[in-house]
Amino acid sequence: QKEVEQDPGPLSVPEGAIVSLNCTYSNSAFQYFMWYRQYSRKGPELLMYTYSSGNKEDGRFTAQVDKSSKYISLFIRDSQPSDSATYLCATRGYSGGGADGLTFGKGTHLIIQP
Amino acid sequence: EPEVTQTPSHQVTQMGQEVILRCVPISNHLYFYWYRQILGQKVEFLVSFYNNEISEKSEIFDDQFSVERPDGSNFTLKIRSTKLEDSAMYFCASSDIPMASRSTDTQYFGPGTRLTVL
Repeated sequence: QKEVEQDPGPLSVPEGAIVSLNCTYSNSAFQYFMWYRQYSRKGPELLMYTYSSGNKEDGRFTAQVDKSSKYISLFIRDSQPSDSATYLCATRGYSGGGADGLTFGKGTHLIIQP
Repeated sequence: EPEVTQTPSHQVTQMGQEVILRCVPISNHLYFYWYRQILGQKVEFLVSFYNNEISEKSEIFDDQFSVERPDGSNFTLKIRSTKLEDSAMYFCASSDIPMASRSTDTQYFGPGTRLTVL
C-alpha cells in the first residue's frame, strides 16, 4: 500500500533553533525521496531530493533517509521566520518509465517565532 | 529561472459544468503531471503524461477527467461534469527525462488553480 505518514503539527520553535521534520513510509519500493515547502495557498516548492539511504546537505537544510527503517528526515539549521511554511515529504518508486506519481505526506506546519 | 505556470488562478463553476484547467510546463520538460489537494488534505496524484499519452493514473482519475497537450506548450486537465467534491487546488507539474540516482527527474510544481464547484 502506498502510504506516507507525517505529523501535521503545528510545530512551533524559536528563531535560530534546529528544526527536525520527519516522515515514515510503508512501501519498500519507494526509492526517491523529496522535501517540498508549501506556503499557504501556493504550489509545492522543491527543497531537497535524495536517492537511497544517507544524508544530503544544501545550505541550512539536511535531508536524511534511512531505508532500513523507512524513515525520512529534514533538518533546518538556524531557522528563520521566513522558514514558516508547511513541509511536505514525498516519495516515489522507479518503474523505469519515468512518469511515476509522487506520494505525499500530509505535511507538517512549521512556525518559527521571531 | 523557468517555472510552471497555470491559468486561471481561481475558477468558480456550477455543478455539472465542464471546466478546463491550463498549464504551461517548463519548456524542455517531457513529463507532465496533475495533482489535486482538497483543503486540509494531502496532495494527491491524478495522472502523468508522456509522449502524448497517459503514462500512469490514480483511482481518482476516472472517466470524468481527461488530459491533453493541444500544442507544443500547453497541457490541460478537463473535468467533464463537475461535482461538489471536485472543489480543490489543482497543481500541474513537469519533469525532465529521468535517470536513476540523478535529480533531473524531480517534479516542479505550478502555483495551482483553485477550483470551486457550487
